[in-house]
Amino acid sequence: DVKVTQSSRYLVKRTGEKVFLECVQDMDHENMFWYRQDPGLGLRLIYFSYDVKMKEKGDIPEGYSVSREKKERFSLILESASTNQTSMYLCASSPHRGDESDTQYFGPGTRLTVL
Amino acid sequence: AQKITQTQPGMFVQEKEAVTLDCTYDTSDPSYGLFWYKQPSSGEMIFLIYQGSYDQQNATEGRYSLNFQKARKSANLVISASQLGDSAMYFCAMREVNTGFQKLVFGTGTRLLVSP
Repeated sequence: DVKVTQSSRYLVKRTGEKVFLECVQDMDHENMFWYRQDPGLGLRLIYFSYDVKMKEKGDIPEGYSVSREKKERFSLILESASTNQTSMYLCASSPHRGDESDTQYFGPGTRLTVL
Repeated sequence: AQKITQTQPGMFVQEKEAVTLDCTYDTSDPSYGLFWYKQPSSGEMIFLIYQGSYDQQNATEGRYSLNFQKARKSANLVISASQLGDSAMYFCAMREVNTGFQKLVFGTGTRLLVSP
């Protein structure tokens, strides 16, 4: 079974803090993704990575950065957390077979609250 | 324009009955894939079923089937014999091959409540 883990289920931070969200997958997948989920908006892609040290902006990258130093690990960084970044953050990974059937497998999510 | 539209914010069904969750999509890409995910209250997104744009038959996975109508650009999820554990949010998603990326675009979801 594919296993995607996230470092925290719940996180509370203060405005202006630097926040790290960590994601690890154990299936040797090339692709990794960070989404945020807000009520009524579904999932929106923040960043994704298709290889070590490679990254691409998603639909809402502002205020976020990412790091992928190892294939199995993809980190989301909030350089200076703001209250509008309070949300559920979901990490996902997928193999790269290069066709439309590549399924993404998700971690359990991190519910971040910024005070 | 919305790429994925789920028009039902909430649905109710009685245990053991079948339910259909609607999903319409918008793409000009001839090659695409459609996915359904389930998100229980615990938060994890669980992959349920996949349909490719060139697949001739509707996808099925156990109690889940996908009613794929290509001309109407709809990919409705059918859950047969609903169980209490089916209560969750359900998301429809699409991947377009020719975007050049591996990303999925999600709808806003439908909350399903199964009552005894």
